[in-house]
Amino acid sequence: QQPVQSPQAVILREGEDAVINCSSSKALYSVHWYRQKHGEAPVFLMILLKGGEQKGHDKISASFNEKKQQSSLYLTASQLSYSGTYFCGTERSTGNQFYFGTGTSLTVIP
Amino acid sequence: GAGVSQTPSNKVTEKGKYVELRCDPISGHTALYWYRQSLGQGPEFLIYFQGTGAADDSGLPNDRFFAVRPEGSVSTLKIQRTERGDSAVYLCASRPAPVTGELFFGEGSRLTVL
Repeated sequence: QQPVQSPQAVILREGEDAVINCSSSKALYSVHWYRQKHGEAPVFLMILLKGGEQKGHDKISASFNEKKQQSSLYLTASQLSYSGTYFCGTERSTGNQFYFGTGTSLTVIP
Repeated sequence: GAGVSQTPSNKVTEKGKYVELRCDPISGHTALYWYRQSLGQGPEFLIYFQGTGAADDSGLPNDRFFAVRPEGSVSTLKIQRTERGDSAVYLCASRPAPVTGELFFGEGSRLTVL
């Protein structure tokens, strides 16, 4: 039931763009995105509710296709501070279980 | 409190010992989650509380693991007869109610079983 993310890892140069995908086998009510830096707790980035919405702030945005049970996170003009591991989190309408994806390690180099 | 608090931050124990990990969620948050995270892996769902009751404990790996939340606030994760494979960071998260937005995480409790 754990969502699958792709790619597993990506290395970018500052200023480059990246897309991280999250795919679930279950019907979803919402998708969250979190970033975790080494040795720290995950930090919330954004939440998307069913309805195919897109959201974004600064240069990070995301989309959610509920029919395909997929979400994508878009990072544009990456900065060094974007480095970390990105996790999607998914839940169904009951909210009893909140599953995190397999993770995507993103490294931004100068 | 200002945020989710977890204690201890680090715990080293010997195989076979009993361990308790505590989570103090943000005041007023009724939904509380426990996760286990091994190095290089995503957080693995263990158990979810809504108020005092365990609404879903399907993620607990076996009967050595147990969690309580007797007054609907502080939660304790209990691990009996610890094994080396239990070594991981145990994360606690809370939010005002289920399906209501972001999870707020504590800093985690790193458990090492020798």
